[in-house]
Amino acid sequence: QKEVEQDPGPLSVPEGAIVSLNCTYSNSAFQYFMWYRQYSRKGPELLMYTYSSGNKEDGRFTAQVDKSSKYISLFIRDSQPSDSATYLCAMTPGGTSYDKVIFGPGTSLSVIP
Amino acid sequence: DAGITQSPRHKVTETGTPVTLRCHQTENHRYMYWYRQDPGHGLRLIHYSYGVKDTDKGEVSDGYSVSRSKTEDFLLTLESATSSQTSVYFCAISPGVPNEQFFGPGTRLTVL
Repeated sequence: QKEVEQDPGPLSVPEGAIVSLNCTYSNSAFQYFMWYRQYSRKGPELLMYTYSSGNKEDGRFTAQVDKSSKYISLFIRDSQPSDSATYLCAMTPGGTSYDKVIFGPGTSLSVIP
Repeated sequence: DAGITQSPRHKVTETGTPVTLRCHQTENHRYMYWYRQDPGHGLRLIHYSYGVKDTDKGEVSDGYSVSRSKTEDFLLTLESATSSQTSVYFCAISPGVPNEQFFGPGTRLTVL
C-alpha cells in the first residue's frame, strides 16, 4: 500500500460546479497537509497547507483534513476553466527541516466551459 | 514565480553518458530538493540539501549524486544515464520547514 493514495482521474466537470478532490494516507504521523496545483508542463505551485485536523478556506478553495479517517479533501467552488490542472496532495510528519514531504500521484481536472 | 531556474529545460542523451542538471535560486533559501516525476508515481525525492555542502539521500537516490558548493546552486548528476532515468526533474526550494516548497519549471530528460 502506498503511503498516499489519490484517484488519478481524469475528472471532468462543467464550469461553475463544485469540485471535490481527495487523498487518503496510511501514516498517522503526518501533521502537515498541502495541496499543489500543476498546469501542463509546469512546476507544481503551492495552493494551501493546513496543520492537523480541520478546515482552511482561501477564496474559492477549502482544504479539509480528517486525521481520524486519514482523509484529506480540497473543494473548489464555482470552478473555472482556469482551474483545469493536475492537483497534488502532499503531507509530512512535522515542521522540522529533515522531514520528507510525500506526494500523491495527482488528480487531473478539466473544467469545461 | 519564486526565483528558481533549471537548466537545461530539455535534454536528450544516450545510455551510459553522464548528465548534469542545474538548479539556480535567487531567494537565498537554505533548503533545496531534487524530485523526479513519473506517471502514476507522483513526485519522488531524489536528494536534498540543507545547506552548502550538506546533502542527504531521498527515496530514489540510486544512480544520482548531487553537489551544492554555493547557496544558490544545486547540481544533480547522473553518472551513467539509463533509460529508467527518463523523467521530468524538478528542483524545489524552501526557506525552512519542508511544507512550504516552491518548484522550478522542470527539466525534461530523455535517455535513449
